[in-house]
Amino acid sequence: AQRVTQPEKLLSVFKGAPVELKCNYSYSGSPELFWYVQYSRQRLQLLLRHISRESIKGFTADLNKGETSFHLKKPFAQEEDSAMYYCALNTNAGKSTFGDGTTLTVKP
Amino acid sequence: EAGVAQSPRYKIIEKRQSVAFWCNPISGHATLYWYQQILGQGPKLLIQFQNNGVVDDSQLPKDRFSAERLKGVDSTLKIQPAKLEDSAVYLCASSLETTGMGQYFGPGTRLTVL
Repeated sequence: AQRVTQPEKLLSVFKGAPVELKCNYSYSGSPELFWYVQYSRQRLQLLLRHISRESIKGFTADLNKGETSFHLKKPFAQEEDSAMYYCALNTNAGKSTFGDGTTLTVKP
Repeated sequence: EAGVAQSPRYKIIEKRQSVAFWCNPISGHATLYWYQQILGQGPKLLIQFQNNGVVDDSQLPKDRFSAERLKGVDSTLKIQPAKLEDSAVYLCASSLETTGMGQYFGPGTRLTVL
């Protein structure tokens, strides 16, 4: 069975500092990886997908199949990045599995 | 475009009572998901529909939970009878297709079972 692990429940950085939110997965097939974000009092929303290799709001994530990781990175954190971040995996059949999330706090 | 709609937003019931949640996905989205999110945890997939057929319901407690997707559009999730451990946020999401696409989430229904 597939599994997504986000080892940090809480992450705190200062504004302007680099930030990396870790995501590790286990799945025997070829996964699709996603990052979702939930800002305070808002609904969960898609941040980025690994297949599009895009940068959204300054965030990037690279799928590392060797290390089975999909870490989310941003070189200079902003206060508005404070939110809950979830890593998610889709199997070949499209079944979704989410990690338990990391709460990011960016301090001024 | 209108987002995923869910109702009610909040529900408080006694244990052993029944409750139903409703979801209206984004127009044209073939895939619909129901998740249960317990406080401090990530969303857990309960059931996934492709149009009006079930793709996956392996984590749905079928002795008390049921779901249907009427005509491949709206969906309802029912719990009967509810237990204390069913207290959670129930999220509905939809996507254009099953694979390759991200999901769009509704605001969720917060259920409290007393």
